[in-house]
Amino acid sequence: RKEVEQDPGPFNVPEGATVAFNCTYSNSASQSFFWYRQDCRKEPKLLMSVYSSGNEDGRFTAQLNRASQYISLLIRDSKLSDSATYLCVEMDSSYKLIFGSGTRLLVRP
Amino acid sequence: EPEVTQTPSHQVTQMGQEVILRCVPISNHLYFYWYRQILGQKVEFLVSFYNNEISEKSEIFDDQFSVERPDGSNFTLKIRSTKLEDSAMYFCASSELVEDNEQFFGPGTRLTVL
Repeated sequence: RKEVEQDPGPFNVPEGATVAFNCTYSNSASQSFFWYRQDCRKEPKLLMSVYSSGNEDGRFTAQLNRASQYISLLIRDSKLSDSATYLCVEMDSSYKLIFGSGTRLLVRP
Repeated sequence: EPEVTQTPSHQVTQMGQEVILRCVPISNHLYFYWYRQILGQKVEFLVSFYNNEISEKSEIFDDQFSVERPDGSNFTLKIRSTKLEDSAMYFCASSELVEDNEQFFGPGTRLTVL
C-alpha cells in the first residue's frame, strides 16, 4: 500500500521561530512531490514543489532525499499567518496525488 | 486569477438520495479530478478524467459514483444512493498538464448525509 506518513503535530512555536517538518513515502517509483497548505475547512493550496536539489521560496525551503525516501519543509521566521496544516503530497506514476495526513502548525504571538 | 469553482458549498441530503456535485474547472485545463476528505482524515483521490473518459479511479469510486463533463465547462460528480459514510468534503481539481504540474483545487462541497 502506497502511503505518505507525517507527524500530525501540532507544532506549537513562537513567532520568529524556525520549524521543520518531515515526511516519508513508500513508493520509490514516484517522481514528483509537493507541500500543500490547508487552512481549517478549506481546500489544499500548493505551497511548493519539492526537488532533489532542494528549493527555496522566501522563508520556505523544501528538500527531497530519494535514498531515504523522505521530504522536508523548513519554515524560517514563522509568522502568525503560517498557522495551518501542512500536507506532504506525492504524485504517483498515474499522476494522482497521494496525501499525507498533514502536520498542524500553530504559531503563537 | 482563474480558479476552480464548486457548487453548492454545502449539500445536506437523506440517506439513499442522489446528489450531484458541480465543478467548473479552470478554462484551459484538460485534466480533472475529484478528491474527498472525511472530517479529520486525509485527502483521498477518487477519480481522474481526461478526454471525456475516466483515466483512473480509486477503490472508493464504486458503482454508486459517476462523473460527467456534460458541456464544455462543467464537471460533475454524481452519487446515486448516498450512504452515511459518504459525508465528507468533496474537492474538485484541475490541471493544465498531467505530469509534474500543479493541480488547482476548488473550495469544496461539504456533503452531509443524514
